[in-house]
Amino acid sequence: GAGVSQSPSNKVTEKGKDVELRCDPISGHTALYWYRQRLGQGLEFLIYFQGNSAPDKSGLPSDRFSAERTGESVSTLTIQRTQQEDSAVYLCASSLVSGGTGELFFGEGSRLTVL
Amino acid sequence: DAKTTQPPSMDCAEGRAANLPCNHSTISGNEYVYWYRQIHSQGPQYIIHGLKNNETNEMASLIITEDRKSSTLILPHATLRDTAVYYCIVRVVENYGQNFVFGPGTRLSVLP
Repeated sequence: GAGVSQSPSNKVTEKGKDVELRCDPISGHTALYWYRQRLGQGLEFLIYFQGNSAPDKSGLPSDRFSAERTGESVSTLTIQRTQQEDSAVYLCASSLVSGGTGELFFGEGSRLTVL
Repeated sequence: DAKTTQPPSMDCAEGRAANLPCNHSTISGNEYVYWYRQIHSQGPQYIIHGLKNNETNEMASLIITEDRKSSTLILPHATLRDTAVYYCIVRVVENYGQNFVFGPGTRLSVLP
């Protein structure tokens, strides 16, 4: 597709379950970002990929959160043993190059609800 | 932490210019200022960016002060569809790449 695609768009899970959120960036975009947005709040940076490497994981809130990227394309954000405070919209963005003007293109997000 | 500060909310009358201020007093010489907006339940949308010079595109104008410590986003003729949260961001360039740290933004309400 032409834009950043995220799936699932909505996920409801029980506390303690693991979830995987997927991001398909725009083809050719080398940089990929994950953000979290809780209800009524701003975007919270989670992790950044340059290619398949994650030079900046500083935003991951706990060791229950992990992410990987393969083929310089698809990325998966995994949350283990979900807690109610993990409920949020998880946004993925990609950009064409690192160091250039680097406009971010966002997906529509994956809304996670932990019961 | 975000390198920018913005008022939490603003109102603007439909058809009038909306002027959204942003302070970025610790900005470095090679760091760009970006503006995005987020309309309810959608992903953020790019508006405009700049380094030193004022910029204009089909959506908005960006005025950056000479000392680069602040900027103003101008929507010249605001419409109801411009109601959104507007984020002013300093793009931080690290040796491994770049990062965009979002603050809480300004919630702009365009009133009929």
